[in-house]
Formats: sequence, C-alpha cells, structure tokens
Amino acid sequence: SYVLTQAPSVSVAPGQTASIPCGGNRIGRKSVHWYQQKEGQAPVLVVYKDSARPSGIPERFSGSKSGNTATLTISRVEAGDEADYFCQVWDSRSDHAWVFGGGTKLTVL
Amino acid sequence: QVQLVQSGTEVQKPGASVKVSCKASGYTFTNYYIHWVRQAPGQGLEWMGIINASAGSTSYAQTFQGRLTLTRDTSARTVYMELNSLRSDDTAVYYCARDRSDAFDMWGQGTKVTVSS
Repeated sequence: SYVLTQAPSVSVAPGQTASIPCGGNRIGRKSVHWYQQKEGQAPVLVVYKDSARPSGIPERFSGSKSGNTATLTISRVEAGDEADYFCQVWDSRSDHAWVFGGGTKLTVL
Repeated sequence: QVQLVQSGTEVQKPGASVKVSCKASGYTFTNYYIHWVRQAPGQGLEWMGIINASAGSTSYAQTFQGRLTLTRDTSARTVYMELNSLRSDDTAVYYCARDRSDAFDMWGQGTKVTVSS
C-alpha cells in the first residue's frame, strides 16, 4: 500500500511561515490534496491538485512539490491556523485507494 | 449552499450494526461520488469506501469488505453507510465527504459511533 509520511508536529510563532512536509514515493506523479482539521471539527480542504486553493481559502495557504515531498506552506501564520493538517493522494494500487498521511499538528507559539 | 448533514450519535454493542445517513443539499446530488472516512479517537483519517450517487456502484477498502455497505436514495438525496459486526475498535467519528477530482471538497459534520458492551 502507498504510504504518506508526515512529521507529528510543527511549531511556529505568529507572523512567521509554517512549512508542513508530506513524503511519498514518486509523489511527483500524483495529485496531492491538503486538509485542515481544527479540534472537534470536520476536515476542510485547503489545497487541491498540489497547489490550487478552493474558494474562500486565504492566499496565505499554498502547496508545492519537489522530489518525493509535497509541502503545505502557511504564510503569516495566525493563532487561528492552529490545527491538524493532513495530506492525501489517490493510489489505485492501494487497499485504501484514497490515502491520507498521518497528520501534522501545527502549534502557534 | 452546499451541505452534507449526517445523522446523530450512535451507541451500539459489539456484534451489532450501525447505519449512518448523509443528506446532501445545494448541488445536483447525482453528479458526484460520496466517500466515507472515519477517525478513531486521537488518530488520523481512514478511507472506508465510495459510492456513485447516480449509478449506486460502490468500492470498499479491503479492510471493510464484507462488513460495509454503502447505499443511496436519490429521491431523498441521501447516502447511507452501514457497518456490521461492530467491534470496540470501530469506535470513531464517521464522516461522509463529496468527491471532486479525487479530493474531498465538502464534508459532513461527522457522526460519533461508540461500540461498547
């Protein structure tokens, strides 16, 4: 099965930039999507198809890929950005064809 | 606006079944697929299965084969998730989510299912 690897936690001060990586074999060949999940709430799509933003998502949220890593970048971090962030891809060969990373907890210091 | 509204909290005993509903509004129901994803307490997201809201065809994660059934009622704009032979490790929040280009662009509010004797 395809595996997406995320660091358990990332910390950043308000106003700084947070980078949340997501590693996967040949991830460059896949479309990567990112979700924000605040405590007690359902996930929200914040980036799709590697770098596109859904309507209503601030421009501070951006996505990129390089090599075997996709990265969600949050610029000018605010206290309200504190949440879990999950990457996700579709892999037809996996048992769970829609695959999620384990999630990264973003803490705003 | 686009919304997915799920049924309420469930408490079931081991070995029982649970059926959770997901009612769609604000878009053409039959134009989209619906997924089910679950999240155990303190854990990540786990994909369970997908249903074509138009044709009713389904695909399930192998983990759930034989225990999971997804159905839909187009007149009611509702998708149903039924999980059988419940175990304690099925305790989780269950979400429905709309598919858009293999991403999940809209999520239900979640349904907490507790399996306990």
